[in-house]
Amino acid sequence: AQKITQTQPGMFVQEKEAVTLDCTYDTSDPSYGLFWYKQPSSGEMIFLIYQGSYDQQNATEGRYSLNFQKARKSANLVISASQLGDSAMYFCAMREGVDTGGFKTIFGAGTRLFVKA
Amino acid sequence: NAGVTQTPKFQVLKTGQSMTLQCAQDMNHNSMYWYRQDPGMGLRLIYYSASEGTTDKGEVPNGYNVSRLNKREFSLRLESAAPSQTSVYFCASSRGGTAHYEAFFGQGTRLTVV
Repeated sequence: AQKITQTQPGMFVQEKEAVTLDCTYDTSDPSYGLFWYKQPSSGEMIFLIYQGSYDQQNATEGRYSLNFQKARKSANLVISASQLGDSAMYFCAMREGVDTGGFKTIFGAGTRLFVKA
Repeated sequence: NAGVTQTPKFQVLKTGQSMTLQCAQDMNHNSMYWYRQDPGMGLRLIYYSASEGTTDKGEVPNGYNVSRLNKREFSLRLESAAPSQTSVYFCASSRGGTAHYEAFFGQGTRLTVV
């Protein structure tokens, strides 16, 4: 069954340091996408980064990178050089392919990140 | 660019009342989704529509119905609202065809059932 797990309810990081947010997943579909979203206190959902199941290299987008370990079914988000504006909820999500019923996308419970000055 | 538009943004219902949350996207996306987010928690999938003409149950479908009216619009109906349905509701859409496209979200509807 499709499942996303984020085990860190809250994380603290010092400004300008790097932080890793954990995400593990489970699926039987060979074709899937992994996504990270940011939700600031204002409530909107902001797409950050994507990793495809067949991608050989880890995805990067500016200060965001995704540490994809397929055999371990993990897709951790790394934020480098943290900024105060990075304080927010972060959600890991997975979208399966057509074989498992049509591109269903589910989310983890989220990790709240606090960046300290 | 409008993206995904949800109406209303806020709503207060009495227990037992019904209402429909509207969602429309202008990105020609095939897939659309309804999620609920309870305070301090993640998004749970209520229903989704992989393409026009199809709908499927998600993780928490009880108490809800949906209609994919056309490619643009996907509505969520609460037939008899309950306090447990107090939540923030998000509509989202994404391109279809593969698993490899991100979802675009509306601004959310904050629903309170008293």
